[in-house]
Amino acid sequence: TQLLEQSPQFLSIQEGENLTVYCNSSSVFSSLQWYRQEPGEGPVLLVTVVTGGEVKKLKRLTFQFGDARKDSSLHITAAQPGDTGLYLCAGAHDDMRFGAGTRLTVKP
Amino acid sequence: DAGVIQSPRHEVTEMGQEVTLRCKPISGHNSLFWYRQTMMRGLELLIYFNNNVPIDDSGMPEDRFSAKMPNASFSTLKIQPSEPRDSAVYFCASRTWVTQYFGPGTRLTVL
Repeated sequence: TQLLEQSPQFLSIQEGENLTVYCNSSSVFSSLQWYRQEPGEGPVLLVTVVTGGEVKKLKRLTFQFGDARKDSSLHITAAQPGDTGLYLCAGAHDDMRFGAGTRLTVKP
Repeated sequence: DAGVIQSPRHEVTEMGQEVTLRCKPISGHNSLFWYRQTMMRGLELLIYFNNNVPIDDSGMPEDRFSAKMPNASFSTLKIQPSEPRDSAVYFCASRTWVTQYFGPGTRLTVL
């Protein structure tokens, strides 16, 4: 059983569409991170959220941390083929636990 | 900074052989993590160290796996003897406070 549940598991959309992926847990985290991983590479950190209710924007990506610090969402506006990859969320206690990821494909 | 460095990047070995994976964390980071990633199980935490001390090795699959961190700039993950089911990508990551950075990974294939 995953400590962090990510949904959807797979997502295939057309270029220009918007999308939201979710990361949910029953546990409270001191912080939560989002990563993107491309084939043959290690996960690359996108953002860290620390405060409940926090919203961070990174160009077309918007990250939100739930008020209770148990869940998070990632919204991508006007998706591009370069956004294709595996999106992982990770919650931090003393260690860091990862969700199974959302595999996003953006078709031109 | 060069980031987290892992070696080798690829390793192909035969069942029963000993495998040693190496990691150099980012200088100044006081926590180091070893993960294994497969399509079936995703990214699994194997073990992590704080200030060179192993804190939680509950994710280590079995006694065939061992990890050491003799100093702040080096860690190893050893599998002896290796089995085909150990085939995976092994990642090392280092962390300071809340930010964790991954190495490029070692792709291990056990025949």
